[in-house]
Amino acid sequence: QLQLQESGPGLVKPSETLSLTCTVSGGSFISSSYYWGWIRQPPGKGLEWIGSIFYSGYTYYSPSLKSRVTISVDTSKNQFSLKLSSVTAADTAVYYCARVATGDSVDLWGQGALVTVSS
Amino acid sequence: DIQMTQSPSSLSASVGDRVTITCRASQGITNYLNWYQQKPGKAPKLLIYAASNLQSGVPSRFSGSGSGTDFTLTISSLQPEDFATYYCQQSYNTPPTFGQGTKLEIK
Repeated sequence: QLQLQESGPGLVKPSETLSLTCTVSGGSFISSSYYWGWIRQPPGKGLEWIGSIFYSGYTYYSPSLKSRVTISVDTSKNQFSLKLSSVTAADTAVYYCARVATGDSVDLWGQGALVTVSS
Repeated sequence: DIQMTQSPSSLSASVGDRVTITCRASQGITNYLNWYQQKPGKAPKLLIYAASNLQSGVPSRFSGSGSGTDFTLTISSLQPEDFATYYCQQSYNTPPTFGQGTKLEIK
C-alpha cells in the first residue's frame, strides 16, 4: 500500500535552511483526488500546518511561514520537498509529510522526521 | 485563522467507559471537521472526517457528531489501545488548524 517516508538532516544550524524530502512509494503520486502536505509538531506540543502541493506544482503555504517556506514536487521521482529558510530554535519539531484527501483531511502520514535547530 | 479549542485538555478513564471529547471552532465551519488519534512517538491517525464519517479501518466504537461550531468525538467503550492524544482539525478555511489536543489516560 502507499507509504510516505521523510528524509533529510536531523540537525540544522540557526539561520540556515532546513530541507526535507518525502518519497511516496507503493502507489501513484499523480492523482486528482489527493494532494501532498507538510505538517510539523514541536516536542510536546500540537500540530501546525506548513503547506501543501498538488502534483501539478500548485502550492499553498500557511501565512505564518509563507515568507520562509518553499514546497516543490518531482513527479519523476515520486517525491515532494520542503525547504524552510532562516531557521531558529522555534523551528525544532517533528516534520511529517502527508497525503491530503477530500475535505482536507490527512488520511496518510509519514513516520515523521525530528529536525533540531542548534549550533 | 480559525481557532480550535478542545475540552478537556486531559481526561482519565477506565477500560469500558464511554468517553466524549469536545471541539469548538471560533467561527462556523459547517462540517469541515476531522479527528485524529496520536500515540507517543507515532504519527497521527485519521479517525473521523467531515465531522461524522468513520475512516476506513477505524473501529465502530469511534463516532463523531456536530456542525457549525461545536463537535464531539465519542468512544463508546474504551479499549486499552485507545489511550492516546486526540486532535480535532478544521478544514473549512485556510490555513487548516488543529486543536491543542486531549490526552486520554488510564484511570
